[in-house]
Amino acid sequence: DTVLTQSPALAVSPGERVSISCRASEGVNSYMHWYQQKPGQQPKLLIYKASNLASGVPARFSGSGSGTDFTLTIDPVEADDTATYFCQQSWNDHTFGAGTKLELK
Amino acid sequence: EVQLQESGPGLVKPSQSLSLTCSVTGYSITSNYWGWIRKFPGNKMEWMGYISYSGSTSYNPSLKSRISITRDTSKNQFFLQLNSVTTEDTATYYCARYLLYNNYFDYWGQGVMVTVSS
Repeated sequence: DTVLTQSPALAVSPGERVSISCRASEGVNSYMHWYQQKPGQQPKLLIYKASNLASGVPARFSGSGSGTDFTLTIDPVEADDTATYFCQQSWNDHTFGAGTKLELK
Repeated sequence: EVQLQESGPGLVKPSQSLSLTCSVTGYSITSNYWGWIRKFPGNKMEWMGYISYSGSTSYNPSLKSRISITRDTSKNQFFLQLNSVTTEDTATYYCARYLLYNNYFDYWGQGVMVTVSS
């Protein structure tokens, strides 16, 4: 299985820029996707294929990377962005990262 | 708008089968792919499998001997059956639409919590 490694948690202040990383144990080409999940809700697609903004997602969200290293950036962070962010690869079957919990200071 | 809704028992006994339904509105399941994903306590997420617009299926190898995904196109529903469950199958189960071209899940159901316990 392709293992995706994410930092467990981050804390930032509103208005700042935050980068959330996801590292794959083997190359996944550009088939990395990002989801936001708030407590009690279903995951919401933010970015597909590394850098493509999903429909309806604010331009404050962006994605980059290829191969094994990927980043989701939120700039500027807003209070409503408090959530857990998951990466998911679909190059070698499908696996998910453990999620990064974003908290606001 | 595409909407998905999971339904099924919230409690299943060990060794029994878990059966869930995903009801889709706003889009026909005879287009695209439709999958099941589960989230364990502690946040780990696992892709379980999906069924295609034609009815073909693909499963996570770790579940292949226990899982079956089927559909009823007349009701625009698809189904998950997981056999011989254990407490380790306790999770929130989500159904989602899978876009094959770029290989991601774009619409998700709200999820249904299933506990395996005697």
